[in-house]
Amino acid sequence: DTEVTQTPKHLVMGMTNKKSLKCEQHMGHRAMYWYKQKAKKPPELMFVYSYEKLSINESVPSRFSPECPNSSLLNLHLHALQPEDSALYLCASSLERTRRQETQYFGPGTRLLVL
Amino acid sequence: AQSVTQLGSHVSVSEGALVLLRCNYSSSVPPYLFWYVQYPNQGLQLLLKYTSAATLVKGINGFEAEFKKSETSFHLTKPSAHMSDAAEYFCAVSGIIQGAQKLVFGQGTRLTINP
Repeated sequence: DTEVTQTPKHLVMGMTNKKSLKCEQHMGHRAMYWYKQKAKKPPELMFVYSYEKLSINESVPSRFSPECPNSSLLNLHLHALQPEDSALYLCASSLERTRRQETQYFGPGTRLLVL
Repeated sequence: AQSVTQLGSHVSVSEGALVLLRCNYSSSVPPYLFWYVQYPNQGLQLLLKYTSAATLVKGINGFEAEFKKSETSFHLTKPSAHMSDAAEYFCAVSGIIQGAQKLVFGQGTRLTINP
């Protein structure tokens, strides 16, 4: 099973709301990633978690707060977002974070609209 | 630094015709290269990857790619296009930053299939 699941599929939120995105995988992968994808653009890396610890934060604004409660679950907490944060948020996982040849498996994404 | 360039943001072919999507890479170390496909409103799915085992890599859905070091290329081909191949295709090179894998994506090529 090479499935990464994400909930919700769609999310509409106001600029004062607090919401969370959820990502789950049961492949035994130890690395998990958050990406942001704007329309007609490639995914941009936001965060990397390895063994439940944050490895990379690509200078993401603090209104995005990641959390990795256990090795199968990755959350992205959203607070005080701006309209320009509207995008498709993709989660991915891989067996290990330290090898260049690892395949990252992507979830279907959460399409976020900030009003 | 590593990068990929996808030549042609939009490629249109007739059903049954050859598909050729171009990717050129730049890397100071032997590269690991990936092709991902993204169907509308979905996440990314791995088509194939090059990890130096063989220069001709076969992937899913009848796609294949040939690694040519002399041309720094990793072009994706399929002998006969099918309507279901219509999607966005991303080439990526894999690097390690701060101890974690980072995929550097090209800008993507949108493939349209004409009936």
